[in-house]
Amino acid sequence: EPEVTQTPSHQVTQMGQEVILRCVPISNHLYFYWYRQILGQKVEFLVSFYNNEISEKSEIFDDQFSVERPDGSNFTLKIRSTKLEDSAMYFCASSVVATQPQHFGDGTRLSIL
Amino acid sequence: AQSVTQLDSHVSVSEGTPVLLRCNYSSSYSPSLFWYVQHPNKGLQLLLKYTSAATLVKGINGFEAEFKKSETSFHLTKPSAHMSDAAEYFCVVTLSGNTPLVFGKGTRLSVIA
Repeated sequence: EPEVTQTPSHQVTQMGQEVILRCVPISNHLYFYWYRQILGQKVEFLVSFYNNEISEKSEIFDDQFSVERPDGSNFTLKIRSTKLEDSAMYFCASSVVATQPQHFGDGTRLSIL
Repeated sequence: AQSVTQLDSHVSVSEGTPVLLRCNYSSSYSPSLFWYVQHPNKGLQLLLKYTSAATLVKGINGFEAEFKKSETSFHLTKPSAHMSDAAEYFCVVTLSGNTPLVFGKGTRLSVIA
């Protein structure tokens, strides 16, 4: 069964550094998402992406965040200057169309030191 | 705005006994509702979905959920728990269309041999 893959599984970064989290959505999916889960808290929506542009974003997704689909397969989340509070599990998801369920990757655990 | 409340942060059952994980939702419009499961160090896997068709929804691994509009509930049940069911379960709501998923806080299910 096709699945969403995320790399790396764990990323450790110094505060202030840039980090890029990578995702390969399911190949025939058209909608892409990033969510995050701070330890002990809810899974929170960050951003949705369709047709090479952001379709919706949350308040969390400020100017420090950006997303990109650099080629036909990868979908990346960049945090420009990381803060301690960016430490979380980041999940990528994709769906065929907006009304279909989202399929999630295993997540990237981001630790900011 | 949509929201979900998972009434129990932790549920513990004996193997072979029924499982009940409770979820109440709030939505201004007709919602789509999902249950996702997260096993340790794994991503979020879709268990089942409700999208305004039958109110009793059957999912994978013997789980099912009933949408009750009068009670604004979408409780997850399974007749007989298995050790492999031990995981974190998330109740999720969204409006139909390209809107982000809104997660509950999760319920950790423990299964005792």
